[in-house]
Amino acid sequence: AQTVTQSQPEMSVQEAETVTLSCTYDTSESNYYLFWYKQPPSRQMILVIRQEAYKQQNATENRFSVNFQKAAKSFSLKISDSQLGDTAMYFCAFMNRDDKIIFGKGTRLHILP
Amino acid sequence: DTAVSQTPKYLVTQMGNDKSIKCEQNLGHDTMYWYKQDSKKFLKIMFSYNNKELIINETVPNRFSPKSPDKAHLNLHINSLELGDSAVYFCASSPRRHRTDTQYFGPGTRLTVL
Repeated sequence: AQTVTQSQPEMSVQEAETVTLSCTYDTSESNYYLFWYKQPPSRQMILVIRQEAYKQQNATENRFSVNFQKAAKSFSLKISDSQLGDTAMYFCAFMNRDDKIIFGKGTRLHILP
Repeated sequence: DTAVSQTPKYLVTQMGNDKSIKCEQNLGHDTMYWYKQDSKKFLKIMFSYNNKELIINETVPNRFSPKSPDKAHLNLHINSLELGDSAVYFCASSPRRHRTDTQYFGPGTRLTVL
């Protein structure tokens, strides 16, 4: 079965610090997509970043970047210069060959002033 | 303009009732989805429609029935509501049924069954 594991249920960091959220997944597929979604208190689900498994280069979006280790099946999210508005639940997700997205259980991130 | 909208945002109802949640997207997307987020924040796909055709139907009780009157709408009807149905339900859409396409989520509908 394909699974997505986020081992950190909750994290807190000071504003302006860098934080890394971990995610591991399990699949026998070789071509797939990985995502990080952010869910702020407003409850909206917002795509943060996306990675295609066949691309070795790590995706980046402004202050957000990933460390994609395909062999280790690891897909961590790094947030640089964290801001108060980054406070949210962060979900790691995997899209399988059937186009189903499988989500991890989320990491609640608190950015402290 | 809201890209993916859901109505209502909050729904409180008694056990045994039948209720519907509506979803509309104005993005011109072909594919729409319903997800359920339980009290532990775990998100799980329920259904997916592509051009009004059902393409993903996860293990969901028969009491849940999606209806897609046209490409821009995917409604979720729930019969005989149970306490365990309390959750946040998210609608999403993507341009096509393709892995490269990003899914855009609606704001969610919080369903509370008493």
